[in-house]
Amino acid sequence: GAVVSQHPSRVICKSGTSVKIECRSLDFQATTMFWYRQFPKKSLMLMATSNEGSKATYEQGVEKDKFLINHASLTLSTLTVTSAHPEDSSFYICSARAQVVGEQFFGPGTRLTVL
Amino acid sequence: AQSVTQPDIHITVSEGASLELRCNYSYGATPYLFWYVQSPGQGLQLLLKYFSGDTLVQGIKGFEAEFKRSQSSFNLRKPSVHWSDAAEYFCAVRVERTGNQFYFGTGTSLTVIP
Repeated sequence: GAVVSQHPSRVICKSGTSVKIECRSLDFQATTMFWYRQFPKKSLMLMATSNEGSKATYEQGVEKDKFLINHASLTLSTLTVTSAHPEDSSFYICSARAQVVGEQFFGPGTRLTVL
Repeated sequence: AQSVTQPDIHITVSEGASLELRCNYSYGATPYLFWYVQSPGQGLQLLLKYFSGDTLVQGIKGFEAEFKRSQSSFNLRKPSVHWSDAAEYFCAVRVERTGNQFYFGTGTSLTVIP
């Protein structure tokens, strides 16, 4: 099946710094990528939907200025957590939708810890 | 609004016993339905999916799920659980009307005792 990678898998940063997480579709072109956040023992919450070459669509309650999403190519989307704070600590998962309808593939996730 | 309900937060079964994880969805039409498994600290692995056709779908690792339109359910089953099946299981619905967005259930944590 199609593979989606995320980098880094784990990151620890100091409060106030910015962190960039990459999501790549390795063997297919992804016109749409999704970013999710998962709190401990909780389900995945969709943060935003990004389409290649256009601005991301954020879910209600997600700060677009804090969680910057760029989908510059058909194989890469990035999520930048700006001025990170401890409450931003979470597991971030991306998914990429192939041009084949109905197929969406998830990355392995990135564990962010903000000290 | 679309929603996915997994009534069981946590289930404990003995190794070798059968398993059924419940999932109910709320949506006006037949959605695309998925079951994912997540091991601790890992991403999601697709177990199986239903788009149309035969309402009993087979997945990986010996899992199967049955779509029942009348009950708006998509329960996951396995006849004999292995210790390695211990994980978090998520039911998800994909809705075309909302740009193919996924809606996830709250998950069911499975513990397998020897």
